[in-house]
Amino acid sequence: EVQLVESGGGLVQPGGSLRLSCAASGFTFSNYWMHWVRQAPGKGLVWVSRIKPDGSSITYADSVKGRFTISRDNAKNTLSLLMNSLRAEDTAVYYCARVSGLWAFDIWGQGTTVTVSS
Amino acid sequence: QSALTQPPSASGSPGQSVTISCTGTSSDIGGYNYVSWYQQHPGKAPKLMIYEIIKRPSGVPDRFSGSKSGNTASLTVSGLQAEDEADYYCCSYAGTNNWLFGGGTKLTVL
Repeated sequence: EVQLVESGGGLVQPGGSLRLSCAASGFTFSNYWMHWVRQAPGKGLVWVSRIKPDGSSITYADSVKGRFTISRDNAKNTLSLLMNSLRAEDTAVYYCARVSGLWAFDIWGQGTTVTVSS
Repeated sequence: QSALTQPPSASGSPGQSVTISCTGTSSDIGGYNYVSWYQQHPGKAPKLMIYEIIKRPSGVPDRFSGSKSGNTASLTVSGLQAEDEADYYCCSYAGTNNWLFGGGTKLTVL
């Protein structure tokens, strides 16, 4: 079964850091662009970041640039998102998602919740 | 870049058709054929319903269809069923390695 499973969410104080992980299974992870998408409580989906299959190209949304770092370990089939200098507005459910040749997010994880609050 | 513009709500009775619009600019929807639509039930992950404007992944009912005209994309749900009640999001590639989502439309089946 093709699957993405996120972990690492939790409660963190403003200015703190958190590392999210996404474990992939059921497909050849190293062949796919991978993304992070977030959804604040009661709000819509917002694209956060993406990484090329070999990790050589990375892009961030302006709202997280300089604070978040996306990475991947193709040997371990794992996608990561290191989040530093967290702000209240980063509070959201974070989804990892696969983009295939369909130019669409065809596989999504179940999401992990990040809450930034003192 | 600003999110794509969707109506906050839409509704229809069982068996009817409803169309949800998604308006962007020439830099996103109007500039690329990479528009996709996602269905999200409460507390669940989004599910891909339409990609490349008009194509349906396997397993998605043919009641769901997509189209595009200029800077506006649309999702039409025909023969509405109770299980179609959900939030729907459009998405477009926006060039320079960016992706934009719409604000979402809550579809209610009356």
